[in-house]
Amino acid sequence: NAGVTQTPKFQVLKTGQSMTLQCAQDMNHEYMSWYRQDPGMGLRLIHYSVGAGITDQGEVPNGYNVSRSTTEDFPLRLLSAAPSQTSVYFCASSFASNQPQHFGDGTRLSIL
Amino acid sequence: AQTVTQSQPEMSVQEAETVTLSCTYDTSESDYYLFWYKQPPSRQMILVIRQEAYKQQNATENRFSVNFQKAAKSFSLKISDSQLGDAAMYFCAYRSPPYTGTASKLTFGTGTRLQVTL
Repeated sequence: NAGVTQTPKFQVLKTGQSMTLQCAQDMNHEYMSWYRQDPGMGLRLIHYSVGAGITDQGEVPNGYNVSRSTTEDFPLRLLSAAPSQTSVYFCASSFASNQPQHFGDGTRLSIL
Repeated sequence: AQTVTQSQPEMSVQEAETVTLSCTYDTSESDYYLFWYKQPPSRQMILVIRQEAYKQQNATENRFSVNFQKAAKSFSLKISDSQLGDAAMYFCAYRSPPYTGTASKLTFGTGTRLQVTL
């Protein structure tokens, strides 16, 4: 019973590099989201998806891309990493819009 | 846009005592969901309790209960018989009704760090 799986758990990048944070869930959840957590600011929504092929922007989408080709996977792409993107990233999913979200264990990302 | 405010950055409670964490929110919607999440040092986000706005009865989960005041837009968390394992960051979160386009979004407060002392 894996739940929501995020990889990698830690990553260090140089400014300007690109990378993809992976998120997979095995619960057949339609709703998936990406958040970033910064000190003193709680979690802020980056992008979300209400089903395969459907994505939309959240509160802080700049510098990130997402796609949802399958129900299970929702990768987050950093196009050109910047130090301001140093954060902890969480992926979450839920079965329906009125159900609690299940969170992955997070990815700590540092941009030098 | 909805906002969630947690005005207590840090709280401390003695083991076996009771503590209440505050949360207020701002919304023009009448039907929504509220949650409390716990984040221990392991970084996991763990659901503690949820409340549907259409329910007048306050939610309870073992030692955790809420005081939901819809008119005042207040949603506080009470932890009874505090234990060392309750030490964590606690986040209050708001979710829009299911019939809205923003239903999958959670809006979080900035969190309250709870310390439990012997």
